[in-house]
Amino acid sequence: AQKITQTQPGMFVQEKEAVTLDCTYDTSDPSYGLFWYKQPSSGEMIFLIYQGSYDQQNATEGRYSLNFQKARKSANLVISASQLGDSAMYFCAMKGFGNEKLTFGTGTRLTIIP
Amino acid sequence: DSGVTQTPKHLITATGQRVTLRCSPRSGDLSVYWYQQSLDQGLQFLIQYYNGEERAKGNILERFSAQQFPDLHSELNLSSLELGDSALYFCASSPGGSSYEQYFGPGTRLTVT
Repeated sequence: AQKITQTQPGMFVQEKEAVTLDCTYDTSDPSYGLFWYKQPSSGEMIFLIYQGSYDQQNATEGRYSLNFQKARKSANLVISASQLGDSAMYFCAMKGFGNEKLTFGTGTRLTIIP
Repeated sequence: DSGVTQTPKHLITATGQRVTLRCSPRSGDLSVYWYQQSLDQGLQFLIQYYNGEERAKGNILERFSAQQFPDLHSELNLSSLELGDSALYFCASSPGGSSYEQYFGPGTRLTVT
């Protein structure tokens, strides 16, 4: 079984500052994938970034990077130079290889303050 | 725009009724997944189809069923609806295989009154 824990229900960050959203996971699978999704108030789920458990380097996608620490079982999302449009719910998710369902955390509501 | 389409966007119906939610995956994607997002349960995986065949089942109630058609679109059927079935239902698609991210549709918001 897989479990995702997001301990920050809500965060307030000043515009243009960097922000780190925490995610820890638990799994017995030898290999797995970690994902971050953004859900704006409009409701859609937007894929942001993916990290494979055997990837040697941390994933980056534009202003998003994933700080992957395998020994600590953490996969924190870092957003650089935050913008007002980054205000949304952010979900960390994972799936084990051979098991295609995504297991989601409870999410973090990020609010960017002008 | 993820390329995944879902209809309808909103659905309001009464308890005891039956509804059908429709999903068209991204071009080329063979896998379709259904998820339910509710306030009390969060985001939960319901069921997955791959190229017309059921591949994985999650926390899907017996009152719910799904299928994937030869053109790869999928339908989720919800019957004997209860108030607690009110939720946002997402369809997602991927090429298939464990390493691929899933792209979500805009969701269908179901309200049972």
